Amino acid sequence: DTAVSQTPKYLVTQMGNDKSIKCEQNLGHDTMYWYKQDSKKFLKIMFSYNNKELIINETVPNRFSPKSPDKAHLNLHINSLELGDSAVYFCASSPTGQGGSGGYTFGSGTRLTVV
Amino acid sequence: GENVEQHPSTLSVQEGDSAVIKCTYSDSASNYFPWYKQELGKRPQLIIDIRSNVGEKKDQRIAVTLNKTAKHFSLHITETQPEDSAVYFCAATSGGGADGLTFGKGTHLIIQP
Repeated sequence: DTAVSQTPKYLVTQMGNDKSIKCEQNLGHDTMYWYKQDSKKFLKIMFSYNNKELIINETVPNRFSPKSPDKAHLNLHINSLELGDSAVYFCASSPTGQGGSGGYTFGSGTRLTVV
Repeated sequence: GENVEQHPSTLSVQEGDSAVIKCTYSDSASNYFPWYKQELGKRPQLIIDIRSNVGEKKDQRIAVTLNKTAKHFSLHITETQPEDSAVYFCAATSGGGADGLTFGKGTHLIIQP
């Protein structure tokens, strides 16, 4: 069983479109995240979310919005896609309330290409 | 917020030699420091981690050391093998609330046969 699964694996779309990436975890974790990995391989957090709060990295454009229907899912919606949004997006999850206990688990990534 | 610096960006070593990757962090509240290995086209995979109450941890050929006073931590790989070739990331977090990981920019480790 895949612990953190995200779909689709590849997404090619035109500028200006709106798209979503889905993420599901079956680890029973309380917190989920979205990370962006750019062409230089730099991994940067975009959002973290648990059932109490959403923390947004201030550098993330408001065209990006996370949606969590329940604790096991955190989807990423992107409006008005731009060329610079092309990257690999990783979903991750971790337990919380344990002060840096680790347990961060990443999904397999979605390679988004905007043309 | 936290800032993690990682060096070198590329490291080439002969098979069988040791490799060392170094990271520094800025937030004294950070208390968890994982290392991830990412092979081409794959997800980051945790290879070892250390918490702030420990100075050193070892797992077979891999070890991590932490100096809280200097705010730096290092990854040591001994007896390197071709399959060790990958990009390695250090990260740090204080772990409170919904904090995620702050990553270094990665080190491309190349093992020369």
